[in-house]
Amino acid sequence: DVKVTQSSRYLVKRTGEKVFLECVQDMDHENMFWYRQDPGLGLRLIYFSYDVKMKEKGDIPEGYSVSREKKERFSLILESASTNQTSMYLCASSLGLAGGPGLFFGPGTRLTVL
Amino acid sequence: AQKITQTQPGMFVQEKEAVTLDCTYDTSDQSYGLFWYKQPSSGEMIFLIYQGSYDEQNATEGRYSLNFQKARKSANLVISASQLGDSAMYFCAMREGYDSSYKLIFGSGTRLLVRP
Repeated sequence: DVKVTQSSRYLVKRTGEKVFLECVQDMDHENMFWYRQDPGLGLRLIYFSYDVKMKEKGDIPEGYSVSREKKERFSLILESASTNQTSMYLCASSLGLAGGPGLFFGPGTRLTVL
Repeated sequence: AQKITQTQPGMFVQEKEAVTLDCTYDTSDQSYGLFWYKQPSSGEMIFLIYQGSYDEQNATEGRYSLNFQKARKSANLVISASQLGDSAMYFCAMREGYDSSYKLIFGSGTRLLVRP
């Protein structure tokens, strides 16, 4: 069974802390993504990676960075967490082929920044 | 401008009835793909159905069908014979062009509540 796992389901951090969100996929997918989900806004792309050590900005990269040192692992980093980064973070991966199912998602990390 | 628009923030449907969730999209690409995902309260995103822009037939997957009207740029999801387990958030998404990175653009979602 294909799987995308995220390091935490729930996380509470303080303003100014450095936060790491980890994502691992076991499907040998080339592409990995970080989205954030907010009510009324849907899912918005933060960063994505199409190969090891390669990354590209999505629609809302400000305040975030990413790291992909190994094919199966894609990390999202909040350099200095702020309250407006309180959100649900979803990691996803894909093989990059046309058709369904498109993206395979992890279970999400609900981050609260106090 | 919004690339994917879902105008219904919330909807109710009676169990066993059919329901249509609206989705309109905006793209200048000739090749694109449209997706629907379901997100139950547990949070996981579940793929439901896919429609390619060159597909002539509307996609169907069990009780789900996609009413694809290319000229109107709409890709509505139809759920037939609603079940209590269909209560969830539903997201419409689009892949544009031949971008092999497979980025998807999502709408804001529709929360569906099925009444017994």
